Parts: sequence; C-alpha cells; structure tokens
Amino acid sequence: KAGVTQTPRYLIKTRGQQVTLSCSPISGHRSVSWYQQTPGQGLQFLFEYFSETQRNKGNFPGRFSGRQFSNSRSEMNVSTLELGDSALYLCASSGGLAPGELFFGEGSRLTVL
Amino acid sequence: AQSVTQLDSQVPVFEEAPVELRCNYSSSVSVYLFWYVQYPNQGLQLLLKYLSGSTLVKGINGFEAEFNKSQTSFHLRKPSVHISDTAEYFCAVSLIGTGGFKTIFGAGTRLFVKA
Repeated sequence: KAGVTQTPRYLIKTRGQQVTLSCSPISGHRSVSWYQQTPGQGLQFLFEYFSETQRNKGNFPGRFSGRQFSNSRSEMNVSTLELGDSALYLCASSGGLAPGELFFGEGSRLTVL
Repeated sequence: AQSVTQLDSQVPVFEEAPVELRCNYSSSVSVYLFWYVQYPNQGLQLLLKYLSGSTLVKGINGFEAEFNKSQTSFHLRKPSVHISDTAEYFCAVSLIGTGGFKTIFGAGTRLFVKA
C-alpha cells in the first residue's frame, strides 16, 4: 500500500501571498488531519476532515482553511501569508484497524520571506 | 481538558546505554496511547501503541513502553540505544469525541545518542 503523499515537499513564498498544500491519504482511509509543526510550538492541530466534512478544528485563524474531495484527497490553504506561518505542515490519514492511529506524510516545508 | 506532558525536552545518552523517555497524560476518559518517532526532515512514524490488554507493549526498533493507569504514564524505554536512534520522539493520546477521534501530542523529546 502506498503511504501518505504530500506535495509540494518544499516551497518558498513571500508575505501576503497564499499557498495550497495537497495530501493524498492511504487508500481506503477516509480521515485526513493536518498539523503545523514549528520549533517553538511543536505539533499543533489544524483540522480534520472525514468524508468531505470538517469534523474537528484547532485554534487557528480563518486564514487557514481546508477541504477534502470525494476521493479523500485533501488540500489546505493559507491566505495572506505571515512570517510566522513558516513551518512544516504535516498531513496524517487514519482509518486503519487501530483506533486513533495516524499515518503521516513527510510534510510540506513552507518558508515565508 | 486532556493534556500530554513529556517531561524531558532533550535526553543525551551514550551509545549502548539504556534510555527512558517519560510521558504523562491527563484525561477524564479512556484514551489510546501512542509513541511516534520523527527523523530529520521526515514525518512521524508509529513506534508503538497501547489500545488495551497487556500494559507492556513492544514496538519497532527494540523500543517498549509501559502503561500505568494509576500514574497516568506511558514511558518509553530501550535497553541499549544506537546512534541511529537519534531523533525526536512524541507521545500522543487519542480519545473518542463527538466528532471522531481527537489526538493530542506532547511537545516532543529530542534523543541524542553519542558515540
């Protein structure tokens, strides 16, 4: 089985721009979660989608949004980028036999200049 | 509210020495417990998990962890570490909520194995 695939792996943007990150979950997994990882804040939960519906949401401003498609692929978007948005964005899918177990992609590293 | 505390932010240890990475959690409901490892520039991968049953669980790469319900702890151990174990380790709890599972991560412990 292919793992979780995130694209792009690296990207550089400037302040004020927007960015879209993509995540393809493991085949058959219907839940996709997104996390922001920074050295200072650790792993912070952004949101979770299940069957195209946002099921949980973390404490991030409205500039952070996401969606999930019928094939379970998910995208997250960050608008009006700020320097503080520089981070590793991790996507995780779940739906295996173990409840709560997450399968992570390698992440998209965003640098905002 | 649920929380996960990893008591050590960094743990330096010599190769072939034993190591313990500590994790405590607080929750008013039953949880599932996990340890994940993150190597540089990679995502997280599962080391081991406790769902139910035996409180001593074994994972990959020789790691094991013990669930202690009375102390709400889930410490990770390895009897003899290798240089390749240098990585960041995250303790996590998952609990069932009205909107499916919610996973909370600790702040991470950076294990540095010295030759």
